[in-house]
Amino acid sequence: DGGITQSPKYLFRKEGQNVTLSCEQNLNHDAMYWYRQDPGQGLRLIYYSQIVNDFQKGDIAEGYSVSREKKESFPLTVTSAQKNPTAFYLCASSIVNEAFFGQGTRLTVV
Amino acid sequence: AQKVTQAQTEISVVEKEDVTLDCVYETRDTTYYLFWYKQPPSGELVFLIRRNSFDEQNEISGRYSWNFQKSTSSFNFTITASQVVDSAVYFCALRAVGGGSNYKLTFGKGTLLTVNP
Repeated sequence: DGGITQSPKYLFRKEGQNVTLSCEQNLNHDAMYWYRQDPGQGLRLIYYSQIVNDFQKGDIAEGYSVSREKKESFPLTVTSAQKNPTAFYLCASSIVNEAFFGQGTRLTVV
Repeated sequence: AQKVTQAQTEISVVEKEDVTLDCVYETRDTTYYLFWYKQPPSGELVFLIRRNSFDEQNEISGRYSWNFQKSTSSFNFTITASQVVDSAVYFCALRAVGGGSNYKLTFGKGTLLTVNP
């Protein structure tokens, strides 16, 4: 089935450690996105990528990094520089008139 | 720059009431798409509808209807005869095409709808 897969669903990290969240899509979409959602809050854009080997910072990119080496994959690394990383992370992929989301990864820093 | 405003943070209604969720957007691009998504407590975003900037025809799907008005930059969503299962967070989103927008997909802050039995 076509879709977007985020893994893992739940992730625990010790303070000071980097962690990478996976996002894979088989929809052949050019654009991919990472959003952060805090409890009771909306979706804030972290990074987005329009094509392979290209990406742009969103509204809250500090403390995060991404890569786009393949069309299907857009991993997000939450670095130790991110001051408050505990949140729900959503990945999306899109063509011009469609945008679909993965099921999200809930990251907790312990 | 583009922006989506959902002024209603929370709405609470009693089952069978009609409810309208407001969405106002800003963009300099002439070509853009507007979306509505539903986020139930499980967290995933469920796609509800998209409209492009050249199609102002309103749409009805069952109990759901959407009113797109370019003159007021609004894309409002109405649920008729609300049900408890409609309880969720609803997001409005904008994706402009061309210019400097680079396919950026921008969301409003969402409206939490609670439908009480």
